[in-house]
Amino acid sequence: EVQLVESGGGLVQPGGSLRLSCAASGFTFSRYEMNWVRQAPGKGLEWLSYISSSGSTIYYADSVKGRFSISRDDAKNSLYLQMNSLRGEDTAVYYCARDHPQWLVPDYWGQGTLVTVSS
Amino acid sequence: DIVMTQTPLSSPVTLGQPASISCRSSQSLVHSDGNTYLSWLQQRPGQPPRLLIYKISNRFSGVPDRFSGSGAGTDFTLKISRVEAEDVGVYYCMQSTQFPYTFGRGTKLEIK
Repeated sequence: EVQLVESGGGLVQPGGSLRLSCAASGFTFSRYEMNWVRQAPGKGLEWLSYISSSGSTIYYADSVKGRFSISRDDAKNSLYLQMNSLRGEDTAVYYCARDHPQWLVPDYWGQGTLVTVSS
Repeated sequence: DIVMTQTPLSSPVTLGQPASISCRSSQSLVHSDGNTYLSWLQQRPGQPPRLLIYKISNRFSGVPDRFSGSGAGTDFTLKISRVEAEDVGVYYCMQSTQFPYTFGRGTKLEIK
């Protein structure tokens, strides 16, 4: 069974940093491209970042470019999102999602971890 | 960026009746490989999103056949043939033809 479990969320002050993790199981993590997607309270979905299976190709949404950094550790079956210079508008539930290799769509999603940016 | 426009934003439906959601993209979603990467996701209250339909009309594993997708180019539709209580939630269209991936604003399906 495919499982994605996010962790690392919490309360952080504006300007602060946080590192989210996504632990993957039930599939060969190293073969899959991965994404981070967020959802502000009561709002829709916003794609944030993508990393290829090799880690050599990375994309970011303009809203987080230069502040957030995606990475992966295939030995630990884990995906990460380093978030710096956090703002109030970054308050959201953050989901990791696996990309299906042929369908180019996130086919499995984690339960999400809540990040609250507030003083 | 490709803008995805969904209508309606809210859809009250009677149990057992059909429902339809439209999604229009600001540019063609046909990829250079010839595929169209338009998907539909369902988000039930308090749950993460769940993939329903990929590449316009293909149902994901475990998705009931009352869900169907259609369309081409820039205009797409999700149909539910007979709405059941478990279908309540928000439905999103999503394009993954080009980065950044973008979503529609969502359509809230409610039971009358």
